[in-house]
Amino acid sequence: NAGVTQTPKFRILKIGQSMTLQCTQDMNHNYMYWYRQDPGMGLKLIYYSVGAGITDKGEVPNGYNVSRSTTEDFPLRLELAAPSQTSVYFCASSDSGTGGSYEQYFGPGTRLTVT
Amino acid sequence: ELKVEQNPLFLSMQEGKNYTIYCNYSTTSDRLYWYRQDPGKSLESLFVLLSNGAVKQEGRLMASLDTKARLSTLHITAAVHDLSATYFCAVDLSGNTGKLIFGQGTTLQVKP
Repeated sequence: NAGVTQTPKFRILKIGQSMTLQCTQDMNHNYMYWYRQDPGMGLKLIYYSVGAGITDKGEVPNGYNVSRSTTEDFPLRLELAAPSQTSVYFCASSDSGTGGSYEQYFGPGTRLTVT
Repeated sequence: ELKVEQNPLFLSMQEGKNYTIYCNYSTTSDRLYWYRQDPGKSLESLFVLLSNGAVKQEGRLMASLDTKARLSTLHITAAVHDLSATYFCAVDLSGNTGKLIFGQGTTLQVKP
């Protein structure tokens, strides 16, 4: 199993451009998450999904959109990129797990710079 | 608003020494996670603590949870250089969807 995969690994955007960060998991997990990590900080939840067709906002959703049409894929869309969106983006997935653990498995991350 | 605070934020220690990282959180939750992150890498799950009094150990690391005190600890025994990394605790906000609030992280540097 590949686990959670993310593309691209790195990207530089100009202010105002748009892009989609891809996330795919092959563990048949119902739950998927997008986080951002700013330098020297912990992760902040952007959006999450509890199953195909169901998404909801996390702590910092402004400037982002998501969709979940399949169990495997959970793309994150940035519209009108701003320098404040320069960050490392992590996708994660989980299921309810043993005893309801909801243990999350993280992808390798996408490092995004907006200039 | 749920806040998760770790201390210390930076810890430099000698090999062979013991130390504890503390994770305090501000509202009721009985589900807490510890992760490790190496520089430039992703997060690796270390421990999942699901109830008051839970204790888990893996090698030189031991984690515990006191939900009444809203406190988790990560204890390092006889540190070795390979444990150098940043450690995050995270608390489940929702109880059944895995919406996590992360602490700021504790960067551990173990010197030979």
